[in-house]
Amino acid sequence: GAVVSQHPSWVICKSGTSVKIECRSLDFQATTMFWYRQFPKQSLMLMATSNEGSKATYEQGVEKDKFLINHASLTLSTLTVTSAHPEDSSFYICSARWWERGTNEQFFGPGTRLTVL
Amino acid sequence: DAKTTQPTSMDCAEGRAANLPCNHSTISGNEYVYWYRQIHSQGPQYIIHGLKNNETNEMASLIITEDRKSSTLILPHATLRDTAVYYCIVRVLNSGGSNYKLTFGKGTLLTVNP
Repeated sequence: GAVVSQHPSWVICKSGTSVKIECRSLDFQATTMFWYRQFPKQSLMLMATSNEGSKATYEQGVEKDKFLINHASLTLSTLTVTSAHPEDSSFYICSARWWERGTNEQFFGPGTRLTVL
Repeated sequence: DAKTTQPTSMDCAEGRAANLPCNHSTISGNEYVYWYRQIHSQGPQYIIHGLKNNETNEMASLIITEDRKSSTLILPHATLRDTAVYYCIVRVLNSGGSNYKLTFGKGTLLTVNP
């Protein structure tokens, strides 16, 4: 099956700093990647959709200047949380769509736990 | 976008079949039913999907009613490792048509007991 990795798996940072999370599709090309956020005991909330080589599309209520998304290649998308604050502490999950497979399956990474002190 | 309704939680004995229901009464004719699960502190895992016919793979079976307004995910022999939140999702298409996004509801917490 298709594998999506995320790095780091967890990160602790001080308030006001920026944190970058990487999402990679290891054995397939992902023209579209998605970023989700999940708070404790809540469901996944889609933050943005990114297509390789173009600007990301953000969901309503998600600050695009705070959550910078770059999808520079078919196997890598990055999410940068700028000037992080404690309320940004969450579980961030990326997923990648394997377009060529034709079934529109979406494969998820293992998630990144962000804790902002 | 079609919405889904699932029970908040269910229990199942180890080794028995787990039957997880999902209602999607407003599903459109070209929308698929997808099932994912999320084990605690992990990313979601794809299980199965279908349009109108019943589907089976190595993980589970998906039974979709003839009117497509509901479906049931069946784990034939549940194990302790199947304890997870199970999400029933109806695929949506955005205005562009070439992309789609999966919108997660609250899902069903399935607890498999020894």
